[in-house]
Amino acid sequence: EVRLLESGGGVVQPGGSLRLSCAASGFFFPNYAMTWVRQAPGKGLEWVSSISSSGGSTYYADSVKGRFTVSRDNSKKTLELQMHTVGAEDMAVYYCAKTHRGGVAEAFDIWGQGTMVTVSS
Amino acid sequence: QSVLTQPPSVSGAPGQTVTISCSGSISNLGSRYDVHWYQQLPGTVPKLLIYGNDNRPSGVPDRFSASKSGISASLAITGLQAEDEATYFCHSFDNSLGDVVFGGGTKLTVL
Repeated sequence: EVRLLESGGGVVQPGGSLRLSCAASGFFFPNYAMTWVRQAPGKGLEWVSSISSSGGSTYYADSVKGRFTVSRDNSKKTLELQMHTVGAEDMAVYYCAKTHRGGVAEAFDIWGQGTMVTVSS
Repeated sequence: QSVLTQPPSVSGAPGQTVTISCSGSISNLGSRYDVHWYQQLPGTVPKLLIYGNDNRPSGVPDRFSASKSGISASLAITGLQAEDEATYFCHSFDNSLGDVVFGGGTKLTVL
């Protein structure tokens, strides 16, 4: 079964840091670009960051550029999102998602269950 | 403000057909990049409904169809069922921004 499982969410203080992880199984992870998408409570989907299949190219939304870092370990089949200087605007459910045919601009055919990031002092 | 524009809500009675629009620009829907659609049932994870403008993943009923023309795309749901009540999002890539872009989402109410 193709599966993505996020972890690492929780409560973080404003200005703090948090690292999210996504464990992949059931598909050949190194072949696919991966993405982080977030959804604030009651709001729509917001793209956060993507990483190419090799990890050699990374892409960020302007809202997180310079604060978040995406990375992957193809040998361990894991995706990570390191979040720094977290603010109230970052509070959301964070989903990792697999691209359908490998490229960054492709559809996201598999989504994890999501991990909630709560920003609170 | 989302880069892709969707109506906030649509509604229809069981059995009817509804259409959800997604409007963009020359740098996203009007470019070589495809549009994709997702269905998010209340309290659940988004699910891929349509990829590559008009392709259904296996398991998606043929009541769902989509098309793209110029800087616009649309999702049609025929034979509306109560279980279709959900929020629908369009998604593409903007080559001017260099970003993945989503529509703001359209909440479908089945009357």
